[in-house]
Amino acid sequence: GESVGLHLPTLSVQEGDNSIINCAYSNSASDYFIWYKQESGKGPQFIIDIRSNMDKRQGQRVTVLLNKTVKHLSLQIAATQPGDSAVYFCAENSPGGYQKVTFGIGTKLQVIP
Amino acid sequence: DADVTQTPRNRITKTGKRIMLECSQTKGHDRMYWYRQDPGLGLRLIYYSFDVKDINKGEISDGYSVSRQAQAKFSLSLESAIPNQTALYFCATSDGTGIGPQHFGDGTRLSIL
Repeated sequence: GESVGLHLPTLSVQEGDNSIINCAYSNSASDYFIWYKQESGKGPQFIIDIRSNMDKRQGQRVTVLLNKTVKHLSLQIAATQPGDSAVYFCAENSPGGYQKVTFGIGTKLQVIP
Repeated sequence: DADVTQTPRNRITKTGKRIMLECSQTKGHDRMYWYRQDPGLGLRLIYYSFDVKDINKGEISDGYSVSRQAQAKFSLSLESAIPNQTALYFCATSDGTGIGPQHFGDGTRLSIL
């Protein structure tokens, strides 16, 4: 099994309901944010991103909200499906010579059929 | 075929052994990265390379070395493995703009006994 899911916050959601996964970021100068999905035995997979000049961005069944005032990012998944079960984590890009990327530890989403 | 391929997928070895993890990509990206993932921690950067002649240390480079053999290939070596290097290792790529998601391989699970 995949050990990355140990010690993570877990969100359990009924199939068909909406899921909201939250992330607090650390650097007020960060200008780009990404959500990744990591399934068991797989590498992180890009879901959606948002730049700091935006508050909201929508994709297919997913929406990212950015609140720069409180340094908070959220991922909303509509009509959650069993295939959405995974670890989700956010990443923030800080500006600089190397676009420094800081990854959160993640939230484990469990979808109850 | 996967865009970012890591070999081996699993490896068990003994303390003191030299180990090489390999990564190849078909995305045509200039930038490549090596991360390790431990339970309860976010991805941590070991080394990164912006092109074949550019290699940089990340936040946890001690005990590791890398080689960028070509644009498509970036290998990570543990010169003398120790048990606390037991982890999941991920290779990632990104394009040259620096503003964009990283694309990850499916990881190498490394156990040092």
